[in-house]
Amino acid sequence: DVKVTQSSRYLVKRTGEKVFLECVQDMDHENMFWYRQDPGLGLRLIYFSYDVKMKEKGDIPEGYSVSREKKERFSLILESASTNQTSMYLCASSPGTRHTDTQYFGPGTRLTVL
Amino acid sequence: GQNIDQPTEMTATEGAIVQINCTYQTSGFNGLFWYQQHAGEAPTFLSYNVLDGLEEKGRFSSFLSRSKGYSYLLLKELQMKDSASYLCAVLDSNYQLIWGAGTKLIIKP
Repeated sequence: DVKVTQSSRYLVKRTGEKVFLECVQDMDHENMFWYRQDPGLGLRLIYFSYDVKMKEKGDIPEGYSVSREKKERFSLILESASTNQTSMYLCASSPGTRHTDTQYFGPGTRLTVL
Repeated sequence: GQNIDQPTEMTATEGAIVQINCTYQTSGFNGLFWYQQHAGEAPTFLSYNVLDGLEEKGRFSSFLSRSKGYSYLLLKELQMKDSASYLCAVLDSNYQLIWGAGTKLIIKP
């Protein structure tokens, strides 16, 4: 079974803090993704990566950055957290040989910024 | 713009059948996914359709009509554990996934 893990299920931070969300997958997948999920909205893609040290902006990259130093790990960074970044953050991975590959999701991190 | 429409919430009775609709307007089409997401959990893959027609997988079936920009997920013999949100997502011409907001399905005894 594919396993995607995220470092925290719940996180509370203060405005202006730097926040790191970690995601690890154990299936040697090429692709990794970061989404945020808000009530009444579909999943929105923040950043994705097709290879180590490679990153591409998604639909809503502003206020975020990412790091992929190792194939299995994809980190999302909030340089200076703001209250409008309170959300559920979902990490996903896919094998990567085809764009139509299924994405496998982690359990999510519910981030609250006060 | 790109748009995926699904009903916000549906209610059905245990043992019954329910159909969850999804309509889409996207720049190109390279397939449609359905995912299931239980409250507080990760979305999990249910189905992928790229050709017109019905694909059956146990109690769950997914239908696609590309000419109508329409898909549905059919759940038969509903069980309480089917209470979840069902997410529709379309792969556009750039192979980016466009997600609907999801349909919350409530199963009543």
